[in-house]
Amino acid sequence: GAVVSQHPSWVICKSGTSVKIECRSLDFQATTMFWYRQFPKQSLMLMATSNEGSKATYEQGVEKDKFLINHASLTLSTLTVTSAHPEDSSFYICSARVATGSSYNEQFFGPGTRLTVL
Amino acid sequence: DQQVKQNSPSLSVQEGRISILNCDYTNSMFDYFLWYKKYPAEGPTFLISISSIKDKNEDGRFTVFLNKSAKHLSLHIVPSQPGDSAVYFCAARGGGADGLTFGKGTHLIIQP
Repeated sequence: GAVVSQHPSWVICKSGTSVKIECRSLDFQATTMFWYRQFPKQSLMLMATSNEGSKATYEQGVEKDKFLINHASLTLSTLTVTSAHPEDSSFYICSARVATGSSYNEQFFGPGTRLTVL
Repeated sequence: DQQVKQNSPSLSVQEGRISILNCDYTNSMFDYFLWYKKYPAEGPTFLISISSIKDKNEDGRFTVFLNKSAKHLSLHIVPSQPGDSAVYFCAARGGGADGLTFGKGTHLIIQP
């Protein structure tokens, strides 16, 4: 199946710093990537939809200036948490949707990135 | 407002028996439903899906049933195996969003 990687898998940072998380589709091209966030014992919440070469679409309540998304190529999307605060500590997961084929609904998820802000 | 609901936080089933995980939704615009399996600190793994125009989809030990009138779907796993122990998320697509809307998950525990 399609493989999606995320880097780093775990990051600890000081409050006020910025953190970049990368999401890569390793063996397929993804015109669309999605960023989710999961708090403990909660569901995955969609943060934004990222389309290659265009601006990301953010879900209601998600600050676009705080969570910067760049989808520069068909295999890479990045999420930058700017001026991180402890309440931003969470598990961030990306997914990528296959660009071609009949199973366009299927999203392949990365392994996630655990962000801890001190 | 939770549009996809999994009301059972956990479920314990004996090995070899049938596991039934339930999911309810409120948005009638959802057109595709998916089940994912997830281990701690890992991303979800796709299991099985169903289009809103169907009422059943089967793949090996996994079968998903959809009751549109009741806005209810269920995942049946038979026979249940120890390796099935994980958190199972129900997800839905559509309703104005391009991404998926997830339930809170059900922790399935298969007992030997």
